[in-house]
Formats: sequence, C-alpha cells, structure tokens
Amino acid sequence: KAGVTQTPRYLIKTRGQQVTLSCSPISGHRSVSWYQQTPGQGLQFLFEYFSETQRNKGNFPGRFSGRQFSNSRSEMNVSTLELGDSALYLCASSQDYRGLGYEQYFGPGTRLTVT
Amino acid sequence: GENVEQHPSTLSVQEGDSAVIKCTYSDSASNYFPWYKQELGKRPQLIIDIRSNVGEKKDQRIAVTLNKTAKHFSLHITETQPEDSAVYFCGLSGNQFYFGTGTSLTVIP
Repeated sequence: KAGVTQTPRYLIKTRGQQVTLSCSPISGHRSVSWYQQTPGQGLQFLFEYFSETQRNKGNFPGRFSGRQFSNSRSEMNVSTLELGDSALYLCASSQDYRGLGYEQYFGPGTRLTVT
Repeated sequence: GENVEQHPSTLSVQEGDSAVIKCTYSDSASNYFPWYKQELGKRPQLIIDIRSNVGEKKDQRIAVTLNKTAKHFSLHITETQPEDSAVYFCGLSGNQFYFGTGTSLTVIP
C-alpha cells in the first residue's frame, strides 16, 4: 500500500496570507488527523476528520480549518498567517482510533515558513 | 482534555546501557498506548504499542509496561545503539489521540 502523502512539502508564505495543505491517506483509512509540530512543543493536535465530518478539534484559533472529501483526502487551511504559524504540519491516517485504538500512520509533513 | 506528561525531555546514555521513558496520563478511559520514534527530518513511526488489557509487551530490545492503576506507561530500550538516537513520543487514545511532548534520546558511542 502507498503511504500517507502530503503536498506541498515546503512552503514559504508572508504574514497575512492564507495557505492550504493537502493530505492523502492510506487507501482504506477513513480517519485523518492533523498535527502542528514545533521545536519543544511536541505534536499539537489540530483536528481529526472521519467520513467527511470533523470529529475532534484541538485548541487552535478559528484561523485553522480543515475538511475531508469523499475519497478521504483532507485539506487544512490557515488564514491570516502569523509568524508563529511557522511549523511542520503532519497529517496521520488510521483505520479508526476513536475508542478502539489503531496505529496512526504519518505523512512526511509540510514545512511552512511564514515571513 | 487529557493531560499527558512525558519525562525526561532529554536523555543521554552510553551505548549498551538501558533507557527508560515514562508517560503519565489522567483519563482512565484511555485504552491504547503507542510509542513513536521520530528520527531527525523524518516522520514519526510506531515502534511498539500496548492495549489496556495487557500489562507488558516486548519486541526484541524494546518493551512497554503499563500500570493502569497508577496511570502511567513506560518505554524501555535495552542494549542501546547509536541508531536509537531520536525523539520518542508516547501516545494514548480514548475519544481522541494525545501525544506526550517528546523525549530526545542520545546514545553516545
């Protein structure tokens, strides 16, 4: 099976702009989660989508949003970018974890730099 | 939300020694406890996991122990090698997946 893919891999944006990141999960996986990773902050949970519905949301401002399509591919959008949004954004897919506990498979990440 | 504490944040050991990383949690409904390894510039990858109905699981040099009563679980790496150097994250899931803040392990040859 092909692994989780993310595009683009690298992105440089200016403050105030918006950005859209894409994630294609492993075939058959319906759960897609997004994480922000910054040095010293570990993996901060953004949100999780399952069957096109947002099931969980972390403690991030409304500038961070996402969606999932019928083929399970997911996108996340960040509007009005701030310098502090510079980070590695990882998506992870799993068969399903809510209450059952399945391994999450991570994509390579998108490195976002805001200048 | 869930509070996952991971200690230590950094750990240096001599090659061949053992390394132990511990995570504590608060939600007694958590039932799945994975450990991920993230090498520099790479994505996190699962190295071992345990479910709440099991107290210990071992895979070659790696083991995980779970104490549900005390709400903590630990990663044990024996006979450490330089290639074990990485950041390790504990995780747990109930209604949502949570990760610890990570432990940067350095194995000194």
